[in-house]
Amino acid sequence: ELKVEQNPLFLSMQEGKNYTIYCNYSTTSDRLYWYRQDPGKSLESLFVLLSNGAVKQEGRLMASLDTKARLSTLHITAAVHDLSATYFCAVGHGGATNKLIFGTGTLLAVQP
Amino acid sequence: NAGVTQTPKFQVLKTGQSMTLQCAQDMNHNSMYWYRQDPGMGLRLIYYSASEGTTDKGEVPNGYNVSRLNKREFSLRLESAAPSQTSVYFCASRETNEKLFFGSGTQLSVL
Repeated sequence: ELKVEQNPLFLSMQEGKNYTIYCNYSTTSDRLYWYRQDPGKSLESLFVLLSNGAVKQEGRLMASLDTKARLSTLHITAAVHDLSATYFCAVGHGGATNKLIFGTGTLLAVQP
Repeated sequence: NAGVTQTPKFQVLKTGQSMTLQCAQDMNHNSMYWYRQDPGMGLRLIYYSASEGTTDKGEVPNGYNVSRLNKREFSLRLESAAPSQTSVYFCASRETNEKLFFGSGTQLSVL
């Protein structure tokens, strides 16, 4: 059964600092997704990583995928307050069945 | 451009009552999903429908039923609500293997 784990669960950062969120998953998958959720809101898509070695960047966020290690990272560069949110990774499972399992999320708080 | 529409946005039920959460998407997506979100537990998959005419259990299906009425609509039914089903429910849709588009959520309280 597919398990998706994120760490840390909570991250308090100072503005201007760098940090990385980790997403580990338990079974083979070649697609990984990152989402952002603001408090009281729905989720919005950040990145779709489709293959081993894939790297995507948008502003201060960069996501990468290592399918051999079953690991994805979301790297935050020079954090700003606007990045405060909960970040989720999700892993595709089951090919044609199209199942999608989420991690527990990482609550990021960027302090001035 | 509505995307994924969920109704209702808020609902309070008494234990044992039944209700149906409605979800519709206008993006012609094949796959639709129901998730629940509880503090500290992320999003957990309840049921999903990979394509019209099919439904499958997710991680936490007990106490729920679903209907894929047509390609646009995917409803979630609670036959006899329990306090443990107090949660925020999200419907989502996507084309096969693409990113998910989420509805705005339904906040459900079961007393």
